[in-house]
Amino acid sequence: NAGVMQNPRHLVRRRGQEARLRCSPMKGHSHVYWYRQLPEEGLKFMVYLQKENIIDESGMPKERFSAEFPKEGPSILRIQQVVRGDSAAYFCASSPRRGAGETQYFGPGTRLLVL
Amino acid sequence: GEDVEQSLFLSVREGDSSVINCTYTDSSSTYLYWYKQEPGAGLQLLTYIFSNMDMKQDQRLTVLLNKKDKHLSLRIADTQTGDSAIYFCASSGGYQKVTFGIGTKLQVIP
Repeated sequence: NAGVMQNPRHLVRRRGQEARLRCSPMKGHSHVYWYRQLPEEGLKFMVYLQKENIIDESGMPKERFSAEFPKEGPSILRIQQVVRGDSAAYFCASSPRRGAGETQYFGPGTRLLVL
Repeated sequence: GEDVEQSLFLSVREGDSSVINCTYTDSSSTYLYWYKQEPGAGLQLLTYIFSNMDMKQDQRLTVLLNKKDKHLSLRIADTQTGDSAIYFCASSGGYQKVTFGIGTKLQVIP
């Protein structure tokens, strides 16, 4: 029973390029969350998605960032025209249901470095 | 908005007990969590406590919750070198949105 999968594990981009981060939730999980961890900081919530729906994107920057969780396939976090400040570890988590106390299982993260 | 605070660093000797403290601001927090992050890895859920509990014990881990003061602690008994990691305190209310602290780096000295 595979855990949450994220790829790539490491991604290097030059300023102005696009970054695409993928997250495959655990089998049977239909709720996905994205978090960003800046160097020497804790995790900050970005977005919460269910299949084909964005439920809460209150933590997403207003520009350049978007997320989707299609009916088939992984969830994608897309960052357009990356800047150096986007360098961070991006973690995806999944849970089977929506509800207080439902444990979120985390993936290993994608470490993005913008040159 | 919600905020979770914790100290940045803790150093203990192998075999001693470690106590990591955390305070949170959201009084509607329903669940409080402790996660462990080893270098280069994701977050591993260690334990969690429901807000109507004041203590939870799981092998070497003891979680204490003072809801009145919004204070949470994690005690690790007989700390081992393998416990060296960053420990995140986190809270959630409502549906699921989890707020994390900045993380406490635990260093275990052999």
